[in-house]
Amino acid sequence: EVQLMESGGGLIQPGGSLRISCVASGFTFNNYEMNWVRQAPGKGLEWVSNITRSGSGTHYVGSVKGRFIISRDNAKNSVFLQMNNLRAEDTAMYYCATGGFCADDECQGTAYLQYWGQGTLVFVSS
Amino acid sequence: DIQMTQSPSTLSASVGDRVTITCRASQNIRSFLAWYHQRPGKAPKLLIYQTSTLESGVPSRFSGSGSGTEFTLTISSLQADDFATYYCQQYHTYPWTFGQGTKVEIK
Repeated sequence: EVQLMESGGGLIQPGGSLRISCVASGFTFNNYEMNWVRQAPGKGLEWVSNITRSGSGTHYVGSVKGRFIISRDNAKNSVFLQMNNLRAEDTAMYYCATGGFCADDECQGTAYLQYWGQGTLVFVSS
Repeated sequence: DIQMTQSPSTLSASVGDRVTITCRASQNIRSFLAWYHQRPGKAPKLLIYQTSTLESGVPSRFSGSGSGTEFTLTISSLQADDFATYYCQQYHTYPWTFGQGTKVEIK
């Protein structure tokens, strides 16, 4: 059974830093690109970032570029999001999500968000 | 960024109704479109990818169609489990973007 378990969320002051984690099980982790998606309270979904299977490539939504860093450790089946210079508008539930299974050199065709964790809540407030 | 616009924003329907949700992209995304639903307090769940491919385990009452800039999600006969918020998402061009959501409510 595929499981994604996020952790590390909490209350943080504006300007602070936080690192959230996601541990995966039940599938071959290094065959999947990994994503972070967030949802502000009462709002819709916003894709934040993703990372290629090897970790060599990353992408970000504009509002977090230069502040957030995604990384992964394939030996530990884990993906991380280092969030720096946090703002009130970063308050959200943060979900990790896999892409689809990808065995090709390029994974655009499987870049949908197949499996999701239950999320970790990040609250930025003074 | 590619803007994804869903309509309607809210939909009131009864069990057994046929329901259609539309998603429009601000530019051509070919067939790189997925649909998700989300029940209150739960994580989103993938329903359909590549416009029309049903995710494993998703009931066949769900179907998707379209290409380019106009896409639809159809639920052929709404069930109690289907009352949720539905999102489309493009994965053609970074940053991936979602529609604003369509809440399907009980009439």
